[in-house]
Amino acid sequence: GAVVSQHPSWVICKSGTSVKIECRSLDFQATTMFWYRQFPKQSLMLMATSNEGSKATYEQGVEKDKFLINHASLTLSTLTVTSAHPEDSSFYICSAREEGKYEKLFFGSGTQLSVL
Amino acid sequence: GNSVTQMEGPVTLSEEAFLTINCTYTATGYPSLFWYVQYPGEGLQLLLKATKADDKGSNKGFEATYRKETTSFHLEKGSVQVSDSAVYFCALSEGSGNTPLVFGKGTRLSVIA
Repeated sequence: GAVVSQHPSWVICKSGTSVKIECRSLDFQATTMFWYRQFPKQSLMLMATSNEGSKATYEQGVEKDKFLINHASLTLSTLTVTSAHPEDSSFYICSAREEGKYEKLFFGSGTQLSVL
Repeated sequence: GNSVTQMEGPVTLSEEAFLTINCTYTATGYPSLFWYVQYPGEGLQLLLKATKADDKGSNKGFEATYRKETTSFHLEKGSVQVSDSAVYFCALSEGSGNTPLVFGKGTRLSVIA
């Protein structure tokens, strides 16, 4: 079946540094990818929707300059947390929708980010 | 706006026990409803879904019925196994195309032998 590869699965970084998270669709083309964030004991919250070749659409309250999303190809989207701070520590998870298949949505295994 | 509320975890059950994880939703229209499961170290996987009222989704012994009158989509399984230990997410989606999912907080289930 379709697989979405997300890495790294966990990362620890110092405050002020930037961290890049990759999300790849391995055997299908994903025109749309979603990035979610989950704080402990909270829901998965949608951060942004990215469409291949265009700018991402960010949800209200998500800083686009802080969370840079690039969806340069049909199989790769990246999320870069710039100048990370401890409050950015969270679980980030991507999902990819197979082109033309509305309910074919696949998830990566998530990235646990800890900012010291 | 749309939202999903599911029961707090963790839930710990003995093998072969009956499982219920409650899920209720708020939506402006007529959403599709989903249960996703995340096994340790893996991504979320679709477990089952229902797209209209009174539909029953089922998979791997799990069932959930779309109840419009109570805005609920409770997940049930008659006899859980250790391998069912995972985090379960209830979710909804309205519309089509680029509409993202709205998730509940997730419920961690631990099944002990």
